[in-house]
Amino acid sequence: GENVEQHPSTLSVQEGDSAVIKCTYSDSASNYFPWYKQELGKRPQLIIDIRSNVGEKKDQRIAVTLNKTAKHFSLHITETQPEDSAVYFCAASRDGNNRLAFGKGNQVVVIP
Amino acid sequence: DAMVIQNPRYQVTQFGKPVTLSCSQTLNHNVMYWYQQKSSQAPKLLFHYYDKDFNNEADTPDNFQSRRPNTSFCFLDIRSPGLGDAAMYLCATSRDGGSKSPLHFGNGTRLTVT
Repeated sequence: GENVEQHPSTLSVQEGDSAVIKCTYSDSASNYFPWYKQELGKRPQLIIDIRSNVGEKKDQRIAVTLNKTAKHFSLHITETQPEDSAVYFCAASRDGNNRLAFGKGNQVVVIP
Repeated sequence: DAMVIQNPRYQVTQFGKPVTLSCSQTLNHNVMYWYQQKSSQAPKLLFHYYDKDFNNEADTPDNFQSRRPNTSFCFLDIRSPGLGDAAMYLCATSRDGGSKSPLHFGNGTRLTVT
């Protein structure tokens, strides 16, 4: 089955700086790659996703890039704010469905 | 407010004593999922229901069962909990299971096995 790995496990950034989280996947047939954000004590929520037919997608301060050849995708957060502090999970699935294989999550800490 | 609700938030059970976790949704979504998340690990899909059709993941232990009596409710039954089953259990829904209908998670139930 699909194996998704995230690096680094913990990332600390100064407020206003950028944060980048990378994920790799193993199944070349995977074609859907969402990112979920989980704030402390709250439920995971979808923040952005990308499909294999595009290489980059942006939504205000967040963006996701996909490199299908290398089988990795990254989450970019610009102008980080304290409310960006959370655990971020990447995931992958094939056939464009929501049977997701998740990574272990990255703890992002934004230092005011 | 349409939601995915899991009860209880914290559940303690004894080794070998059956336990049931519950999930309800007001979103009227067709698909419901159960994920197991152990400390510092990725959420792992146990099974999902597409309407009444049950779909088990190949590596989900037989100790785990699920019931979906109607659209709104889904239960996770652990027949004989072991210490290794202590985890956060997340329920999620999706309108149709496709990538254009994202997962809506509940707050989870943290299970402790003593």
